Amino acid sequence: GENVEQHPSTLSVQEGDSAVIKCTYSDSASNYFPWYKQELGKRPQLIIDIRSNVGEKKDQRIAVTLNKTAKHFSLHITETQPEDSAVYFCAAEGADGLTFGKGTHLIIQP
Amino acid sequence: SAVISQKPSRDICQRGTSLTIQCQVDSQVTMMFWYRQQPGQSLTLIATANQGSEATYESGFVIDKFPISRPNLTFSTLTVSNMSPEDSSIYLCSVLLGGQGIAFFGQGTRLTVV
Repeated sequence: GENVEQHPSTLSVQEGDSAVIKCTYSDSASNYFPWYKQELGKRPQLIIDIRSNVGEKKDQRIAVTLNKTAKHFSLHITETQPEDSAVYFCAAEGADGLTFGKGTHLIIQP
Repeated sequence: SAVISQKPSRDICQRGTSLTIQCQVDSQVTMMFWYRQQPGQSLTLIATANQGSEATYESGFVIDKFPISRPNLTFSTLTVSNMSPEDSSIYLCSVLLGGQGIAFFGQGTRLTVV
């Protein structure tokens, strides 16, 4: 089955700086890669996603890149703000459904 | 996006008892998913609930421990049976919506077994 590795587990950045979270996956048949943001005590919510026919997708301060050859995808957050503090999960969807990474705790330092 | 109502939002239960968690969706969906999220951990799929057929369980999860019902296309329940402290976790239901198959989650049930 699919195996998703996510790094780093914790990321601390200064407010206004950029944050990058990276994920790799193992199943070359996976074709959908969503990112979820989970604030403390709340449900995971989709923030951006990308499909395998696209290399990059951007939505305001958030972007995701996908390298299918290398089987890795990344989340980029620019001009970070305090409300970006949360746990972020990447996921890959293959034949077995969604497999999640272990999560990255993003801390925005004032 | 869908409205997914999950209840209870939290409960404290005695070991050896069972708890049934309900998930209601405001639209008809073919598949509903149940996840477990242990403290500080990622989401682990327990099972997929299809209407009109038996749920499909992932490795490490069995029907006797986590029986699931799916009586119609908008509702499902997950029961955590014969609970032990190791079952303390957050349990989330999820559905896929839209032609894109985007996953949406219920608000979760925080279970503590004492």
